[in-house]
Amino acid sequence: EIVLTQSPGTLSLSPGERATLSCRASQSVSSSFLAWYQQKLGQAPRLLIYGASSRATGIPDRFSGSGSGTDFTLTISRLEPEDSAVYHCQQYGSSLWTFGQGTNVEIK
Amino acid sequence: QVTLKESGPVLVKPTETLTLTCTVSGFSLSNARMGVSWIRQPPGKALEWLAHIFSNDEKSYSTSLKSRLTISKDTSKSQVVLNLTNMDPVDTATYYCARTTAAGSFDFDYWGQGTLVTVSS
Repeated sequence: EIVLTQSPGTLSLSPGERATLSCRASQSVSSSFLAWYQQKLGQAPRLLIYGASSRATGIPDRFSGSGSGTDFTLTISRLEPEDSAVYHCQQYGSSLWTFGQGTNVEIK
Repeated sequence: QVTLKESGPVLVKPTETLTLTCTVSGFSLSNARMGVSWIRQPPGKALEWLAHIFSNDEKSYSTSLKSRLTISKDTSKSQVVLNLTNMDPVDTATYYCARTTAAGSFDFDYWGQGTLVTVSS
């Protein structure tokens, strides 16, 4: 089973700053099957990025994904107050899904 | 409009079996390449994938919980059912059902609102 490790655990930044979130896999993941989600307090997760770098419908272009193999990154280019949330990465392989433990992004 | 909605007990006792139902609308459970997963999240903790059922009725289970889980669907009722046996307080969590996309990328494009299940005597 592939383990996903996200870092940092918490990121505290000001509006307009750039956020860089990391997701590292214990073994190689197909880029086609790496996704990112945003989860605001008390809500269900929302799909942001699929296929490592494709934005889901309605997601602003300040969100971007990159990476391959075992290292993937979610970048929020210019933070806005509504970006305060927990961000999860997820992978699929061999009929199994796993999630990372999440990164909490706080807006100062 | 695609929606998923979880239903089931809010409180179960230790050793009991949890039965949750996910009722979907806006798509058919028989649509090729679409499937539904159950995912849970203990309070303040990470998401944990539990089980998935594909459109062809093939099933997949979390390695660590496989012996306790059963997933099934009733296409005519647009429902996916999850059973989790031998409940324990550590199973206290919000349980979500979510749809995998038809694009074949195996991510979850629609989620239910979640239902909080507490395990306590």
